[in-house]
Amino acid sequence: KAGVTQTPRYLIKTRGQQVTLSCSPISGHRSVSWYQQTPGQGLQFLFEYFSETQRNKGNFPGRFSGRQFSNSRSEMNVSTLELGDSALYLCASSHGSGLYGYTFGSGTRLTVV
Amino acid sequence: GENVEQHPSTLSVQEGDSAVIKCTYSDSASNYFPWYKQELGKRPQLIIDIRSNVGEKKDQRIAVTLNKTAKHFSLHITETQPEDSAVYFCAASSENTGNQFYFGTGTSLTVIP
Repeated sequence: KAGVTQTPRYLIKTRGQQVTLSCSPISGHRSVSWYQQTPGQGLQFLFEYFSETQRNKGNFPGRFSGRQFSNSRSEMNVSTLELGDSALYLCASSHGSGLYGYTFGSGTRLTVV
Repeated sequence: GENVEQHPSTLSVQEGDSAVIKCTYSDSASNYFPWYKQELGKRPQLIIDIRSNVGEKKDQRIAVTLNKTAKHFSLHITETQPEDSAVYFCAASSENTGNQFYFGTGTSLTVIP
């Protein structure tokens, strides 16, 4: 059973640019959640998509957006990048009920210079 | 919304000793409590979970206890080994929150050989 695949693994972008990250969940999982992880800030919830609909959203500015496709693959977009957006972005795949744990991807390490 | 607090933030133990990490939650509707282990440079991985209809669950050297009345749950690691060194995160969720998990801020565990 394939795990959660995130691409790319590493990205270096310049301030003001935009970036798109991709996540392919475990086959059969309909929920994809995105988290930002920075040293000292733990896991900050960005948003969750379930059956192509955003079901939950965290407290991030509108520069952070996402979508989910009919095959459950999800993309996350960050526009007008800021230095503070440098972080590890983790995608988490699950059934979607809130009663089963996530399987995390390996993450995309984004560096904004 | 739900608020999960985790203590301590850092913990050092001698190899072979026990380690205990505690979390409290605020929403009495939360009924699923997973624990994740994140080794340096790797993804968080689910190591054990507990549902609200159970007071304790064990898996080899790790166990989790839940006190619904007091709204707290704990991770216990016995006979610690150097490979237990990692950051541990607790989390809480319920059907009411869809699939949004509320994470604690993490505990950095160091096992000294």
